[in-house]
Parts: sequence; C-alpha cells; structure tokens
Amino acid sequence: DGGITQSPKYLFRKEGQNVTLSCEQNLNHDAMYWYRQDPGQGLRLIYYSQIVNDFQKGDIAEGYSVSREKKESFPLTVTSAQKNPTAFYLCASTGLAGARYEQYFGPGTRLTVT
Amino acid sequence: DAKTTQPNSMESNEEEPVHLPCNHSTISGTDYIHWYRQLPSQGPEYVIHGLTSNVNNRMASLAIAEDRKSSTLILHRATLRDAAVYYCILRRSYNTDKLIFGTGTRLQVFP
Repeated sequence: DGGITQSPKYLFRKEGQNVTLSCEQNLNHDAMYWYRQDPGQGLRLIYYSQIVNDFQKGDIAEGYSVSREKKESFPLTVTSAQKNPTAFYLCASTGLAGARYEQYFGPGTRLTVT
Repeated sequence: DAKTTQPNSMESNEEEPVHLPCNHSTISGTDYIHWYRQLPSQGPEYVIHGLTSNVNNRMASLAIAEDRKSSTLILHRATLRDAAVYYCILRRSYNTDKLIFGTGTRLQVFP
C-alpha cells in the first residue's frame, strides 16, 4: 500500500544529543513537509521541500536541519540547538503543489528529550 | 495569512448529524477552504475542501456560505470513529505549501 512511513513511533534522547527522524514515502510525491505539534496545539511548519536537493525553512526552522537527497526520503535532524525539542513530529507529502490539493500525513514520531 | 475561528469543542450522539462551523471573515477570493481531522496520537487526515460551491465526498459534506466568510463541515451520521480534532484551514493560492493549523474543534461522540 502507498503511504508515508515515520520511524520510530517513540524516541527518547538525552539533552545535548542530535537526533534524526526518518520519513519515507512511496506515493511518488514531489513535495514533502515536516511539522511539529505541541500538546493541545495545531501543527507548525518546520521545513518543506518541493524537489530533490532543495528545501525551504518554515515558520520554526531554528534548531532543525533537513536533507532531500532522494525523492522518497526527507529526514529531519533535531539538533542540540533546539531549545524545546520534546514534541510530536509529523511528516507529510503532496503530489501536486497548489491550494487545491491535499497533504498526506505520516503517523508521527513522539520525541522526548530529558 | 487569513485566520479561521472554530469552537474549541462540540459533542454529538452516535448516528446523529454533526455540523462543525468555521468562520473565516478575512478570506480572499482565491483561498481554498480545507478540512482535516486528527485522531488521537495520529497524523491529520484530509477530509474535504472547496472554493465556492458546496462539496460532498464519502466522508463528509462542506457547505460554504454565499459570501464565503464561513463554512460548515457536515458529518451526516456520526460514529465513534469520528471522534477527533477537526481543523478548518485556508490555503492561499500563492502560498500553496503552507497549512496554517489553528487549535481546531475537538468532537466528542457518545454512544
């Protein structure tokens, strides 16, 4: 079945460590996105990529980095510079850019940093 | 970005219709109205979207006011699996990559 895979579902790290969250899609979608969600809040955009080897900052990119070396993969690294990294992280993709088209979301990774 | 306003929470009984309202008084002529829902501990799921006319799909119906300053998501017969947070989002035609999520409406469905 086509879809978006995020792994792992739960991730625990010590403060000061970088951690990379995986996002893979087999939908042949060009655009991919990373969002962050804090308890009781909506999603906020971290980074997005419309084509391979290109990506743009979203609203809250500080302390995060991404790469897009393959169309199907868009990993997110949460660096030690991110002040409040504990959150629910969601990856999404869309096949066509445009306000008319929907985004497909993965199941999310819940990151806890202590 | 144009803002949407939704009630924090709503309740329904199973098998009854549910009307989830959304106000977007600053909507521009080319903004699309999108609805997503998020079940607990899952990623959001696309529900429906529209521009001017009312829309129907297998999940729901979207009723858009004539002046487009408000819209209503209609679940025709609520089930327990419809319990989720529902987000009403405006997508600007020139800023197509952003989904601006508010806090949404938490729908509770009682048996």
